[in-house]
Amino acid sequence: EVQLLESGGGLVQPGGSLRLSCAASGFTFSSYAMNWVRQAPGKGLEWVSVISHSGGRTYYADFVKGRFTISRDNSKDTLYLQMNSLRAEDTAVYYCAKDQYATTINDIQHWGQGTLVTVSS
Amino acid sequence: QSVLTQPPSASGTPGQRVTISCSGSSSNIGSNTVNWYQQLPGTAPKLLIYSNNQRPSGVPDRFSGSKSGTSASLAISGLQSEDEADYYCAAWDGSLSGRVFGGGTKLTVL
Repeated sequence: EVQLLESGGGLVQPGGSLRLSCAASGFTFSSYAMNWVRQAPGKGLEWVSVISHSGGRTYYADFVKGRFTISRDNSKDTLYLQMNSLRAEDTAVYYCAKDQYATTINDIQHWGQGTLVTVSS
Repeated sequence: QSVLTQPPSASGTPGQRVTISCSGSSSNIGSNTVNWYQQLPGTAPKLLIYSNNQRPSGVPDRFSGSKSGTSASLAISGLQSEDEADYYCAAWDGSLSGRVFGGGTKLTVL
């Protein structure tokens, strides 16, 4: 069974930094592209970033380019999101999500339960 | 404002058929497959439809998807109370080099 367990969320001041982690199990982590998707309170889903299975390719939503960095450690089956220069509008539940098919970047299939990031002074 | 456009709400009575639309452009729906996700209150999203019209195992055949040009639709037949949820369409956008979601449609079962 695919399991994605996010951690690292919490309260941070505007301008601060936070690193989210996602521990994966139940599948061959190194074979799948992985994503971060966020959802502000009471709002819709918003894709943040995707990283290829090897880590060689990364893509970002415009609103996080230059501030967030996605990375992965395939030896630890763990996905990361380094978030810098945080703003109040970054307040959201951040979901870790796994693509459906191995090797290529394709479609999100599995989702974690999310971790809440609150940016406030 | 979302790149993919969905109606903010939809409703139906038990047993009815409802349809939710998702409108995009040539750079997303027009050239890539569409997925649909269901998000029940207080839970993480769940993949409902992939590759425009395919159901993952475990998803009832009451749910179906279709795509034509730069638009897609999710149909739910035999509406049940447990279908009350938020529904999102999604696709890759080649111009943005990223995934895009619709704004979501809140389905109410009357």
